[in-house]
Amino acid sequence: DGGITQSPKYLFRKEGQNVTLSCEQNLNHDAMYWYRQDPGQGLRLIYYSQIVNDFQKGDIAEGYSVSREKKESFPLTVTSAQKNPTAFYLCASSDRTGGTYGYTFGSGTRLTVV
Amino acid sequence: AQRVTQPEKLLSVFKGAPVELKCNYSYSGSPELFWYVQYSRQRLQLLLRHISRESIKGFTADLNKGETSFHLKKPFAQEEDSAMYYCALSADSGGSNYKLTFGKGTLLTVNP
Repeated sequence: DGGITQSPKYLFRKEGQNVTLSCEQNLNHDAMYWYRQDPGQGLRLIYYSQIVNDFQKGDIAEGYSVSREKKESFPLTVTSAQKNPTAFYLCASSDRTGGTYGYTFGSGTRLTVV
Repeated sequence: AQRVTQPEKLLSVFKGAPVELKCNYSYSGSPELFWYVQYSRQRLQLLLRHISRESIKGFTADLNKGETSFHLKKPFAQEEDSAMYYCALSADSGGSNYKLTFGKGTLLTVNP
C-alpha cells in the first residue's frame, strides 16, 4: 500500500551497535516524525522535521539521530548511546496542516536488542 | 508545555453498552484535539478531530474548554470497536502547529 513505508518490520540489534530504521513517504508531505511506542507509555516524540535539511529534537531524543536530505525520507539511527532501545518505532508524516488535520502513520518497526 | 492525560489504561464494556473514553489536556493556548485508534495488527489511524465535529463509526467527541476535556463517546459499543485509543493534542510549535502530543492510551475491550 502507498503512503508511508517503514522498513524493516523487525530488527534485531546487538549491544553496542548502531542501527538505522527507514521511513519513506510518497504523499508529498513536508513534515515527518518519529515516535517510540512502549506499553503503558503511549507515543513519545523522538525527532521531527518540518522541512528538508532541518529537524528538531522531540521529548526523548537522547541516543537517537536523524537526517532529512530528501523530502520523501526521514531515517532514524538508534545509536549505542540509547540505553533502552527495545521498542516499537513509528514514523508519521503530515502536510503543513498536520496539527489541524492529523498525521499518516507507517506500520512500524519493532527493534529488539539481543 | 502541553500534556494529555488518559486516566484509564484499560476499559471493558459489554456489546451494546455505552462507552466513554476519557481525555484531559493541559495547554495554555487554543489546542487542536484528535482521537487515534490502533486495531490489532493494524497501523495507527486517525479516528476523528475536534475541528471537524464529525461522527466516525458512531463515535463522537466534544471539546470542553472549561473542563479541558475531549472525551470519546459511543452510545452502543460493538465488538469491532475493541482497540487501543489515543488522545492527541496539537499545539503551536514555533509559529506552526505540527507537533502532536499523545496520551498513554486506553485499551478498550468490548465483550460479547
